[in-house]
Amino acid sequence: AQSVTQLDSQVPVFEEAPVELRCNYSSSVSVYLFWYVQYPNQGLQLLLKYLSGSTLVKGINGFEAEFNKSQTSFHLRKPSVHISDTAEYFCAVRPTGGGNKLTFGTGTQLKVEL
Amino acid sequence: DGGITQSPKYLFRKEGQNVTLSCEQNLNHDAMYWYRQDPGQGLRLIYYSQIVNDFQKGDIAEGYSVSREKKESFPLTVTSAQKNPTAFYLCVAVDTSPGNTIYFGEGSWLTVV
Repeated sequence: AQSVTQLDSQVPVFEEAPVELRCNYSSSVSVYLFWYVQYPNQGLQLLLKYLSGSTLVKGINGFEAEFNKSQTSFHLRKPSVHISDTAEYFCAVRPTGGGNKLTFGTGTQLKVEL
Repeated sequence: DGGITQSPKYLFRKEGQNVTLSCEQNLNHDAMYWYRQDPGQGLRLIYYSQIVNDFQKGDIAEGYSVSREKKESFPLTVTSAQKNPTAFYLCVAVDTSPGNTIYFGEGSWLTVV
């Protein structure tokens, strides 16, 4: 079975502080990994994705994530957050081979405070 | 422009009635998915389809049914057997080429009273 775990349902952080949103996955096959952001009352927007190659992936808005195969993790980081980063963040995985099951995590609500 | 069209955007139904949500895509992608999004539970997979005339149950398929008679269409029926149908439903299509781009519909809000 394939699953995605986002352990932190809410992460409060002060503006200009660094943040890490955790994502762990379970899969019997290799996967592609994704991070999406959903701002209030908006649809999901791609932040970044890991398909192959370098395990450090840089995305939009200063976010980056590192794929760690041994720990089956794909944590999202930003060195300095802004109020506008307040949103819900979703991690997702999809098998690289057949199957195509696309699984999302339960989401992490990032709240940036002054 | 290519994309996914979901309809209706808002739907009210009485308890005990079946309702069908439409999802149409002109992206020519084989893989399509239905999710429901509830606060604190993320996007939970209901059904998905990799090819015409074939579909698989997701993690919460009970009380739902789908069909895939055409590549561009993947309607979802919420049946009276679904115990808690009030939710936001999202249709997704995936470009399974190396780019792996995921396309989202705008969603359908279903309220059952």
